Amino acid sequence: AQSVTQLGSHVSVSEGALVLLRCNYSSSVPPYLFWYVQYPNQGLQLLLKYTSAATLVKGINGFEAEFKKSETSFHLTKPSAHMSDAAEYFCAVSDGNSGNTPLVFGKGTRLSVIA
Amino acid sequence: EPEVTQTPSHQVTQMGQEVILRCVPISNHLYFYWYRQILGQKVEFLVSFYNNEISEKSEIFDDQFSVERPDGSNFTLKIRSTKLEDSAMYFCASTKLGGEQYFGPGTRLTVT
Repeated sequence: AQSVTQLGSHVSVSEGALVLLRCNYSSSVPPYLFWYVQYPNQGLQLLLKYTSAATLVKGINGFEAEFKKSETSFHLTKPSAHMSDAAEYFCAVSDGNSGNTPLVFGKGTRLSVIA
Repeated sequence: EPEVTQTPSHQVTQMGQEVILRCVPISNHLYFYWYRQILGQKVEFLVSFYNNEISEKSEIFDDQFSVERPDGSNFTLKIRSTKLEDSAMYFCASTKLGGEQYFGPGTRLTVT
């Protein structure tokens, strides 16, 4: 079975500071990994995905994530936070071997950006 | 850019009533999903649908739930007899073979 652990239900950073949202996964097969963002009262928007190609993945809005198999991690970073980054961020995993298997989500991390 | 749409955006119903949540997936997508998110909790998988049949379902998806693709565009989730604990945001998603899942904006279901 696959699972995702997101450390920290709430992260608060100052505008311009580094954003680091942590995600660790558990999977018995090579995983596909995703980060989604959810703005208030909106649906889930894909930020970036890892599908066994490059381990450093660049996404939208300046975010990137690095797949580290030895650490079973897929942390999300952004060098400089912007007020508009305030949202809920979800890490998710699926079975990379089986194509279109369902996503298993973490509990989410709420990012607050302080002016 | 094509997107997944869902109607209604908010549905209020009384306990025991039937509800149908509607989704229009992206037109060339082949796999369809329903997820739900109870307020303050994580997004949970309910069911996936491919080639006009359920391909996978979770423990949550019991006999009270059903899905259907009644025509070439809509994908529906029916809850036969709603319970208070069915109150949640329900997300539809679709994908091509091997692609990422695109999510709709969700339907907020409130059961009173």
